Amino acid sequence: SQQGEEDPQALSIQEGENATMNCSYKTSINNLQWYRQNSGRGLVHLILIRSNEREKHSGRLRVTLDTSKKSSSLLITASRAADTASYFCAGGRGGSQGNLIFGKGTKLSVKP
Amino acid sequence: EADIYQTPRYLVIGTGKKITLECSQTMGHDKMYWYQQDPGMELHLIHYSYGVNSTEKGDLSSESTVSRIRTEHFPLTLESARPSHTSQYLCASSELRRGGGDTQYFGPGTRLTVL
Repeated sequence: SQQGEEDPQALSIQEGENATMNCSYKTSINNLQWYRQNSGRGLVHLILIRSNEREKHSGRLRVTLDTSKKSSSLLITASRAADTASYFCAGGRGGSQGNLIFGKGTKLSVKP
Repeated sequence: EADIYQTPRYLVIGTGKKITLECSQTMGHDKMYWYQQDPGMELHLIHYSYGVNSTEKGDLSSESTVSRIRTEHFPLTLESARPSHTSQYLCASSELRRGGGDTQYFGPGTRLTVL
């Protein structure tokens, strides 16, 4: 069963605006990761936040994690047309299996 | 850019054909994965491997099979393709650490269409 549920499913904004995407998950995780996928391509890892961290920054990206609410958010500041893509959260399971469970993704469209 | 490759990128075949989707990585990663993704939808893990001679089934049942004879190579085979197999197939790899949940590196995908 899917772990992550992104919200919203689709988001359309103007260049320069901020984009916020949310993710909720069901079971316990070691970390929460965000990936980006351009249309018809593979996924690219953006950022990882560990279960004992609350906030992390990388360039124009800011990720928060609330383990009590089992939720995470990804903020992209000062968006660009090149940010247009689908964004997926993935919960990292610990233990010997250690696989990721991906959410359904948020489709972001940034209009120039 | 990740050093993980998939061939072919696009494949259109008729029902009943046997196909093999190739995936190779040059990062020396022990763990490799195959995902199935329909357009605009989530990824479903169908197979993974911890290393040479290791193959495991993923969360989504699949009629495909995989093999891992070499660390860098993780091919996926469909013995008899059907229209229901039409999808995008993504290969990924990661290091194998005790804590789990490692960052995965993805290939560009193979878009399969079965007529």
